[in-house]
Amino acid sequence: SQTIHQWPATLVQPVGSPLSLECTVEGTSNPNLYWYRQAAGRGLQLLFYSVGIGQISSEVPQNLSASRPQDRQFILSSKKLLLSDSGFYLCAWSPTGQPNQPQHFGDGTRLSIL
Amino acid sequence: GESVGLHLPTLSVQEGDNSIINCAYSNSASDYFIWYKQESGKGPQFIIDIRSNMDKRQGQRVTVLLNKTVKHLSLQIAATQPGDSAVYFCAETNRDDKIIFGKGTRLHILP
Repeated sequence: SQTIHQWPATLVQPVGSPLSLECTVEGTSNPNLYWYRQAAGRGLQLLFYSVGIGQISSEVPQNLSASRPQDRQFILSSKKLLLSDSGFYLCAWSPTGQPNQPQHFGDGTRLSIL
Repeated sequence: GESVGLHLPTLSVQEGDNSIINCAYSNSASDYFIWYKQESGKGPQFIIDIRSNMDKRQGQRVTVLLNKTVKHLSLQIAATQPGDSAVYFCAETNRDDKIIFGKGTRLHILP
């Protein structure tokens, strides 16, 4: 069966520090991968999605970037964090080439910027 | 704009009663709809989905109803249990693999 892992679960970082959040998927090949941010008590905002290695689409202009160095690895990064980057970051995957499939989420990383 | 939203931000239901969570969508081109459950501190968990060529689909204790005429989606949970306490999101997509999420409804179970 397919599984998705995100780490760390929680992270506290000072303003101006770099960021690297990692997401890996097991049990499937060439998945579509997604990064979302969820503000407290709010819905999910799509940040990036990827349909293959090295292929990244950005949905909103921001201080963050994403990379996909391997088929089942998706990384969310920042060179210098801002206070507004605080939030709950979720990674998700869906099967490629199959329309009308749900996305499956990891358990997220709660990022607090001080 | 095209969006998916929810009528009620919070729903309180007596344990053992049925819960009905509603959702309105505005994009008539959407052809696939999903309900997710999100417990505190966790990622959204897939509950049930429905394609636009159907108007009802049942799972274990859950039923999703789709009314395309009025662009309305609902999730019914039978015999609500304490473990059903969570935020429930509806979501829509129209074949481009990008899912648009509603803002969520918090389901609170009364003892």
